[in-house]
Parts: sequence; C-alpha cells; structure tokens
Amino acid sequence: QLQLQESGPGLVKPSETLSLTCTVSNGSISSAYWSWIRQPPGKGLEWIGFIYYSGSTNYNPSLKSRATISVDTSKNQFSLNLSSVTAADSATYYCARALRYTDSDSWGQGILVTVSS
Amino acid sequence: DIQMTQSPSSVSASVGDRVTITCQASQGISSWLAWYQQKPGKAPKLLIYAASSLQSGVPSRFSGSGSGTDFTLTISSLQPEDFATYFCQQGDSFPLTFGGGTKVEIK
Repeated sequence: QLQLQESGPGLVKPSETLSLTCTVSNGSISSAYWSWIRQPPGKGLEWIGFIYYSGSTNYNPSLKSRATISVDTSKNQFSLNLSSVTAADSATYYCARALRYTDSDSWGQGILVTVSS
Repeated sequence: DIQMTQSPSSVSASVGDRVTITCQASQGISSWLAWYQQKPGKAPKLLIYAASSLQSGVPSRFSGSGSGTDFTLTISSLQPEDFATYFCQQGDSFPLTFGGGTKVEIK
C-alpha cells in the first residue's frame, strides 16, 4: 500500500521559508500528480498546488507566488517551499497523491507547522 | 475561484440513521466532485470521486450523487465509525477548492 510521509521543521520564524518534504514509499513517484494541502487548526482544507511527475506544476493563486513544489524522482520525494511566511501560514500540511488531479486518493499523516518568533 | 458551500455545518444522528449532506458549487462543475471523511487528528480519506464513484475499500453504505452545481453524500445506515467531518472538493477548475465541512455527531 502506498505510503506518504511529511518531514520538516515544526517551527518556522516569520518572513522565513517553510520547507517540507514528502517521501513516497511502496510505490513510484514517476506517475500521477503529487499535491500539498493545508489545514489551519480547527479550520477547513486549502489546496496549495501539485506537481506532475514530469515536473509541470499548478499553484493556488491565493499564495501569491510564494509556493514552489519540486520533485526528486531519484529519491521518490517531492517538496514544498513557502516563502515569506506569516502566522496565517500556521497549519497542518498534508502531502497527497492524485491519480486524477481532480481528487487525492492517498494522504500523508500531516505535519503541524507553526509560524512564530 | 469556485466556492463550495456545504450544508448543514453539523448534524446530530444516531447509529442506523440515514444521513444526507449537500454541497453546492458557485458554478457548474460537471461531475468533478469528491467527498472526503476526516477524523480528529487524522488525514482526510477519499470516499467518493467523480460525484458518484465509490473509492476502493469504502463501504457501500456511502453513496454520492449530483452533477452541475448540486451534489449529495448519503450514508444509508450510520455506523459508529462514521462519526467524523465530511468535506466536498471540486476538481473542475483551478484552484481546487473545498467545502467548509459537515460534522456528523452522535445524537
């Protein structure tokens, strides 16, 4: 069964860059769409963007070009960089696979990231 | 952006009840609608895709219907493990957007 695992710092200072990695196991990253989705505490879900295994990307314009998603097929990983973070970026960040970009069928457990000085 | 409006925001129900949750899109999305279940502290789980297709491994008591702007998730006979929050998500156009969620609570 496909497994996804987020990793990265749980605390980031305001104005810095949030960097997370998702490691995919029991399956290849060389197919499908690979997404990042976040959820502020007690709130709903927000789609950040995805990368196709070939490298093409699509992002949520609400992030004002602060998000960058990249893929490393040799490591079976994909990553999220979110620049110039503020407290509003504090959330649980999930990585997910989308066989069809329209929905996500496999999710990581999530990682809580807090933006605070 | 396409706005997804779920109702109700919460519902109290008993084991064995039939529960219906609705999701309305601010514009037509054909059948590009997915439903997820989320339990506290856990990641969302895909239940339904393409409005009415049951994801592999999901119990048949879950069903989805609708097209265009109006969609429904139905749990035919609520089980104890179904108490959770449910989200809809449109996949018709970018950015992908989610509904605000419906919390199914024990009556």
